[in-house]
Amino acid sequence: AQRVTQPEKLLSVFKGAPVELKCNYSYSGSPELFWYVQYSRQRLQLLLRHISRESIKGFTADLNKGETSFHLKKPFAQEEDSAMYYCALSARLNSGYSTLTFGKGTMLLVSP
Amino acid sequence: DAGVTQSPTHLIKTRGQQVTLRCSPKSGHDTVSWYQQALGQGPQFIFQYYEEEERQRGNFPDRFSGHQFPNYSSELNVNALLLGDSALYLCASSSLQGGIYEQYFGPGTRLTVT
Repeated sequence: AQRVTQPEKLLSVFKGAPVELKCNYSYSGSPELFWYVQYSRQRLQLLLRHISRESIKGFTADLNKGETSFHLKKPFAQEEDSAMYYCALSARLNSGYSTLTFGKGTMLLVSP
Repeated sequence: DAGVTQSPTHLIKTRGQQVTLRCSPKSGHDTVSWYQQALGQGPQFIFQYYEEEERQRGNFPDRFSGHQFPNYSSELNVNALLLGDSALYLCASSSLQGGIYEQYFGPGTRLTVT
């Protein structure tokens, strides 16, 4: 069975400070990892996926299979980054389809 | 494209009653997944529908059932409601593109059981 752990419920930083949201996973196969974000009064939306190796809104995340981690990082936080962040793991089955297992989420608050 | 839509936005039911929630997927998507998000928790997978059949199910009792229609829209039914069923119910739609399923979420239906 797969599991996603986000150890911090709340992360509070000042504008311009570096941010790291932690995510650890447990999965016996080859995982696909995602970060989803939910801004206030908005729906859950995909922020980035590990296979794309892209930077979105200044955020990056590297999959570390040795440490089974997929931490989300941003060098300089902005107030508009304040939101709920969820790490999610996709278990790809033989037929090709997948479902998502989510962590409990970390609330990021960026103060001016 | 309005994206994934869900109805109703919120509703209140009494213990023991039955409820039906509805979801219309994003245009071009053929797969619908349902998630339950309790307060302070991440979304938890209930089941997934494709070609009008349930093809994957999470750890939820049989009181939770669903249906997918030929137009890919879907319903989630919950029988014999319990207080613990109070949660935000999310629908997500997806399709296989480039070997990747990206799930798009609806705004959710807030269910309160009293």
